[in-house]
Amino acid sequence: DQQVKQNSPSLSVQEGRISILNCDYTNSMFDYFLWYKKYPAEGPTFLISISSIKDKNEDGRFTVFLNKSAKHLSLHIVPSQPGDSAVYFCAASNSWGKFQFGAGTQVVVTP
Amino acid sequence: NAGVTQTPKFQVLKTGQSMTLQCAQDMNHNSMYWYRQDPGMGLRLIYYSASEGTTDKGEVPNGYNVSRLNKREFSLRLESAAPSQTSVYFCASKQTQGPFTDTQYFGPGTRLTVL
Repeated sequence: DQQVKQNSPSLSVQEGRISILNCDYTNSMFDYFLWYKKYPAEGPTFLISISSIKDKNEDGRFTVFLNKSAKHLSLHIVPSQPGDSAVYFCAASNSWGKFQFGAGTQVVVTP
Repeated sequence: NAGVTQTPKFQVLKTGQSMTLQCAQDMNHNSMYWYRQDPGMGLRLIYYSASEGTTDKGEVPNGYNVSRLNKREFSLRLESAAPSQTSVYFCASKQTQGPFTDTQYFGPGTRLTVL
């Protein structure tokens, strides 16, 4: 039973434009959300996080938005760069700290 | 600072063979995790160790055993490998197990194929 879902397996975006990645969750006990980025043949690396007491967190070109009533979060990348081409995983955690991951979205940034 | 290291990087097994995947971290983290990644499934937690001396089952523990050898090392053992265990395995560590804690750091992964 997947409690964290990324319904878009892939996304293609032009360099310089905005990338928007979406993630939905079903468990209302989740209170901490993260995005990880993964390049081929490497482990995932942490990108940005947000706790349930906030609705937005920004770090440079990356912004995560949380809509608790809709159980939905999104990651915005502005502007998109070729180095952003990777798989992005959404993850959610309850207060005990065990993470559940989405299936990932492959982002391809084209010149 | 190597972070999280995993050995081997690649392994091919025949059905019924056993093997141990090794993981070590040099960040003095208390909590360590084993995940598997399968296409369309994301990362699923196999086992975790909240602190040295403790281990607990995750989402998909069947067919696996773990050992937290010391604070640095956390190994994953397949006693009798099955084709369904073909996957990429990631080890991760985190400072603590608990609410609003810091992120997990992942190793580079072990790609396992069971024929």
